[in-house]
Amino acid sequence: DVKVTQSSRYLVKRTGEKVFLECVQDMDHENMFWYRQDPGLGLRLIYFSYDVKMKEKGDIPEGYSVSREKKERFSLILESASTNQTSMYLCASSRQVGEAFFGQGTRLTVV
Amino acid sequence: KNEVEQSPQNLTAQEGEFITINCSYSVGISALHWLQQHPGGGIVSLFMLSSGKKKHGRLIATINIQEKHSSLHITASHPRDSAVYICAVEGVPKLIFGTGTRLQVFP
Repeated sequence: DVKVTQSSRYLVKRTGEKVFLECVQDMDHENMFWYRQDPGLGLRLIYFSYDVKMKEKGDIPEGYSVSREKKERFSLILESASTNQTSMYLCASSRQVGEAFFGQGTRLTVV
Repeated sequence: KNEVEQSPQNLTAQEGEFITINCSYSVGISALHWLQQHPGGGIVSLFMLSSGKKKHGRLIATINIQEKHSSLHITASHPRDSAVYICAVEGVPKLIFGTGTRLQVFP
C-alpha cells in the first residue's frame, strides 16, 4: 500500500561524492517535492516540480539540483556532497488540488 | 512570521494525560496533514483533513477552516506516543510545514 517510496532510509556518503536521492510515486500526481529537515528549522523546501521536466526552486536550492524525466519519479541530486548537507530528506507528492502523500524520509550522512 | 505555526514547541506529559497540539496557518489551503516522527525514525502520516474531525484509535484531529486552525488530540497518552508531531498544509501548489511539536510522555 506504499504510495511514495524513497529509495533509501539511511545513506552514508563521502564529501565530494555525487549523490542521487530517488523518489517514486504511484498515484499519477502532478506535483512532487523535496524537503530537508534540520533541528530547530523544521522542513524546508528545496525544489518542487509540477509536471514532467518542470522544476521550481524552493527556499534552499543551493547545492542541489533535481530531475523529473518521468511523472512518477523525482530525483534530488547533490552534485558534490558536503558535510552541511547531512540531514533528513523528505519527498512528497500531491495532486493539483490537494491530497498529499509523504515518503518515509532518507537520513543522509556526509562524512 | 511563519505561514504555519505550531504550539507548543515542546510538551511533556504523564502517562494517561489528555494532550492537545495546535496548528494555525495564514494561507489558503486545500488540506491539512498531521505527521508523526519518532526519534531517529521516518515520517508517518497520521491524518489528512479538509474539514471537520477525524479519529483513529486514541488520536483525534480537528480543523476549523474559518479560523484557520487545527488541533491534534491524544487521549490516554502513553510513552510510545513520544515523538515529534508536525502539521503540514497544502497551499497552491506548495506544502508548507510547521516546525513541529516535540512530545515526551513519561510513565
